Amino acid sequence: DQQVKQNSPSLSVQEGRISILNCDYTNSMFDYFLWYKKYPAEGPTFLISISSIKDKNEDGRFTVFLNKSAKHLSLHIVPSQPGDSAVYFCAASAHNNDMRFGAGTRLTVKP
Amino acid sequence: DVKVTQSSRYLVKRTGEKVFLECVQDMDHENMFWYRQDPGLGLRLIYFSYDVKMKEKGDIPEGYSVSREKKERFSLILESASTNQTSMYLCASSLAGAFYEQYFGPGTRLTVT
Repeated sequence: DQQVKQNSPSLSVQEGRISILNCDYTNSMFDYFLWYKKYPAEGPTFLISISSIKDKNEDGRFTVFLNKSAKHLSLHIVPSQPGDSAVYFCAASAHNNDMRFGAGTRLTVKP
Repeated sequence: DVKVTQSSRYLVKRTGEKVFLECVQDMDHENMFWYRQDPGLGLRLIYFSYDVKMKEKGDIPEGYSVSREKKERFSLILESASTNQTSMYLCASSLAGAFYEQYFGPGTRLTVT
């Protein structure tokens, strides 16, 4: 039962443009959301998070938007850089020591 | 610098063998986790531990067991490996107060033939 879905397996953008990665969830009890980034041959690294009491959280070039009514969140990367090329995982939790991950989206930023 | 290490990057085992995957963290984290990553499914939690000798089942514990005798070390055991356990296994750790902000090891790609 995939409670967190990333429907785009891959995304390709030009350097300097915006990258938008999307994530949908089905469990209305989820109240904390995270994005992890994974480079080849490395484990995922925590990137940014957002609580359900907010609809936006920004950290440098990375912004996460949360639309609770649509059960949708997105990660915006502006401007995109070739070093951002990686697999991005969306994750969600109901603060019950249970975190569900999406299948990941592979981002390629072309120079 | 934060570090989670896993004993092997690649492992090939035969069906029915007992397999041990070891994970060590040097950050004095209370929580440790074992996940498996499969294409199209993302990361799925097998077991986690919030303290020495404590363990909790995750989403897919069947066919696996774990051991945590020391705070820094968390072992995943496949009692009798099967071909459907061929996967990438990722270990992670986190502080007690930051359960969800986890630090991951590089992973062990296990092939069961």
